[in-house]
Amino acid sequence: NAGVTQTPKFQVLKTGQSMTLQCAQDMNHNSMYWYRQDPGMGLRLIYYSASEGTTDKGEVPNGYNVSRLNKREFSLRLESAAPSQTSVYFCASNRRDRSSGNTIYFGEGSWLTVV
Amino acid sequence: ELKVEQNPLFLSMQEGKNYTIYCNYSTTSDRLYWYRQDPGKSLESLFVLLSNGAVKQEGRLMASLDTKARLSTLHITAAVHDLSATYFCAEPYNQGGKLIFGQGTELSVKP
Repeated sequence: NAGVTQTPKFQVLKTGQSMTLQCAQDMNHNSMYWYRQDPGMGLRLIYYSASEGTTDKGEVPNGYNVSRLNKREFSLRLESAAPSQTSVYFCASNRRDRSSGNTIYFGEGSWLTVV
Repeated sequence: ELKVEQNPLFLSMQEGKNYTIYCNYSTTSDRLYWYRQDPGKSLESLFVLLSNGAVKQEGRLMASLDTKARLSTLHITAAVHDLSATYFCAEPYNQGGKLIFGQGTELSVKP
């Protein structure tokens, strides 16, 4: 089982460049998320998608756009990268179970540096 | 304001010692998640605490939840070097699996 797969794993961008982080899950989950992780701040939610065709802002959405292409894929786009977007990005998906609630599965992370 | 606060943020322990990491949260949720992260790696789920008074144990780690006090604890018993990692607690907010994370506790276990 691949679980949650993110690409690329590492990327260096110049200020003003654009790029898309790709995420796919093979667990048939409805909900998917993008988080960023910065030193000393834990993970913060950028955007999430409750189901195919829907997206909504999280805690820190500025400077990002997302697309829920289908049930499997949820991409994160930086239109004009800024040094403040240097971070580690994690994609996640959610399995909802009546008895145990939500179980969140995280991808391996994408290390992005904006210079 | 939704907030999850962990303390301590850094913890240096000797092998064989016991210690507790505290997680205070601001929501009225009745569940709490604990994750472990090794350097350069993703987050690994440790515990999902589903109700007030819940206690779960895995090896040398035990987690508990007091929803009245909005407090969860992660207790480490007889620490070993392999437990060195960063530990996060996270609290769900609204519906749909969205999480608010604590800052993380960086644990270093020394021989």
